[in-house]
Amino acid sequence: AQTVTQSQPEMSVQEAETVTLSCTYDTSESNYYLFWYKQPPSRQMILVIRQEAYKQQNATENRFSVNFQKAAKSFSLKISDSQLGDTAMYFCALEVVTGGGADGLTFGKGTHLIIQP
Amino acid sequence: DTGVSQDPRHKITKRGQNVTFRCDPISEHNRLYWYRQTLGQGPEFLTYFQNEAQLEKSRLLSDRFSAERPKGSFSTLEIQRTEQGDSAMYLCASDTELTGSYEQYFGPGTRLTVT
Repeated sequence: AQTVTQSQPEMSVQEAETVTLSCTYDTSESNYYLFWYKQPPSRQMILVIRQEAYKQQNATENRFSVNFQKAAKSFSLKISDSQLGDTAMYFCALEVVTGGGADGLTFGKGTHLIIQP
Repeated sequence: DTGVSQDPRHKITKRGQNVTFRCDPISEHNRLYWYRQTLGQGPEFLTYFQNEAQLEKSRLLSDRFSAERPKGSFSTLEIQRTEQGDSAMYLCASDTELTGSYEQYFGPGTRLTVT
């Protein structure tokens, strides 16, 4: 079974600051993908960034980047130059890929990120 | 491409009643997932279809829950004899294996309240 742990229930930073959200995971599988999803208030979940476990290079999408430490099973999200629109719940998620294909995502409990003006 | 849609968006029902939710995935996506999200928690996987075949079911999916995807397009999730503990947001997501990205696209969810 897979587990995903997000130890920061809530974080608050000022607009334009940089913030890092933590995530650790556990799986015995070698082929998996890691994701950060964003869920704004009363809006649907959207993908922020993803990382293939077999890639050593950390993924980057504009202001969003990850620090993927495979040995430590750590997958943190860094948001640079934070904006008011970044206010949302952020979920770290893991998907294992086996011979039968991918199973469902395993999510953490989420971090509520608040960007203060 | 209109994205993943779910109907209804909100459902209030009395305990003991049956409810059915519908999910329409992105048209070219052959995989469809159902998740349940309770307040303050991350979504929990319920079940997964590849085309019309239901390939995976979580132990969270009790006998009162049943899901179908009869023609490999839309899917329905039915809850029989609802209980107050079934109150949650039910999320549907879809993806395709063709891209190899395993990126799931989520619908807006159906919020169920059991009174």
